[in-house]
Amino acid sequence: KAGVTQTPRYLIKTRGQQVTLSCSPISGHRSVSWYQQTPGQGLQFLFEYFSETQRNKGNFPGRFSGRQFSNSRSEMNVSTLELGDSALYLCASSLVRGRVGTEAFFGQGTRLTVV
Amino acid sequence: AQKVTQAQTEISVVEKEDVTLDCVYETRDTTYYLFWYKQPPSGELVFLIRRNSFDEQNEISGRYSWNFQKSTSSFNFTITASQVVDSAVYFCALSEASGGNDMRFGAGTRLTVKP
Repeated sequence: KAGVTQTPRYLIKTRGQQVTLSCSPISGHRSVSWYQQTPGQGLQFLFEYFSETQRNKGNFPGRFSGRQFSNSRSEMNVSTLELGDSALYLCASSLVRGRVGTEAFFGQGTRLTVV
Repeated sequence: AQKVTQAQTEISVVEKEDVTLDCVYETRDTTYYLFWYKQPPSGELVFLIRRNSFDEQNEISGRYSWNFQKSTSSFNFTITASQVVDSAVYFCALSEASGGNDMRFGAGTRLTVKP
């Protein structure tokens, strides 16, 4: 069974640009969550998508957005990049029963560097 | 508000020693879920265990064991007879049933096992 796939693995962008990251969940998983990991702030929840709808959102500015497609694949977009957006972005997929999911399985992440 | 505290930033042990990683959490919900994840240098978060708030039974899986105590809001993780391959950053996380599928992570404990 294939795991969670994130592309690209590494990305270098310039301040002010925008970036789109992609995540393909485990087959059959309909919930996709995104997390940002930085040395200073640790792992922080960005948002969760389920059945193409955003179910939950963390405390991040509107420059961070996402979407989910009918095949459960998800993308997140960051516009007007700032140096502080440099981080490892992790995607997690999980089964969902009711309001709460089972354990989340993570991809290897996309390391974004903003210069 | 939910919060997870991992007071131990770094731990270093010699192979075959036992080591316990501490996790203390705060939540107002009566239904919640606790997790442990391992993050090796490759970056991917590897799921280790998920417990719900109604199941206080301790769990053992090979060299790994978990001690969940609601009275002290703790969910500690012990590795018995540690091995070099156990070297990684370990994260404890909390998910509230009322909050959907997002997890609040602790800051992580970096475990180094020396040969």
